[in-house]
Amino acid sequence: EAQVTQNPRYLITVTGKKLTVTCSQNMNHEYMSWYRQDPGLGLRQIYYSMNVEVTDKGDVPEGYKVSRKEKRNFPLILESPSPNQTSLYFCASSLSPSGVSGELFFGEGSRLTVL
Amino acid sequence: TQLLEQSPQFLSIQEGENLTVYCNSSSVFSSLQWYRQEPGEGPVLLVTVVTGGEVKKLKRLTFQFGDARKDSSLHITAAQPGDTGLYLCAGALEGGADGLTFGKGTHLIIQP
Repeated sequence: EAQVTQNPRYLITVTGKKLTVTCSQNMNHEYMSWYRQDPGLGLRQIYYSMNVEVTDKGDVPEGYKVSRKEKRNFPLILESPSPNQTSLYFCASSLSPSGVSGELFFGEGSRLTVL
Repeated sequence: TQLLEQSPQFLSIQEGENLTVYCNSSSVFSSLQWYRQEPGEGPVLLVTVVTGGEVKKLKRLTFQFGDARKDSSLHITAAQPGDTGLYLCAGALEGGADGLTFGKGTHLIIQP
């Protein structure tokens, strides 16, 4: 089954404790992206990757890191989480970034709370 | 400034009624997509429109792309409780290469 898998789905942590949210897709997609979703602000792009070893900042990259060492995986790293990073995070992948083939396939989301 | 403005933000109507959701921008898009998101899940693509003036139908849902490719609408006929969800429009900017820009979404509730 074609899917994007995120882990963990839920996490409560404390300020400053490094954490990684993993994302894996089994569709051989080149494009992967991370979004955060907050009430009243909608979906905002954090980082994206057009291919292996190619990553770029989205609209709200501060406080986050990513890596793309393999095509299927695109982990999101919070080196020193802060309460303003409490949010619902989505990983997504696509054959290409835009156009008809640019359908985004989303994971089920990771709800992160930073105390 | 929000690139894609969706309206209304919230809509609660009775089963059987018709409704239209709008997605507007001052920018031109090479394509525009509509997604639906249910609680606890990620957004799922409903449709992609790429040609100005294009109309696509998906059962009781009708999607239209504006002639100038700056706006889009989603019309639901005879809404059902199963249509309840968050509807998101997302556009790929003309000449852009860095993915989709999302609107803030329309929260739709269809009451039985």
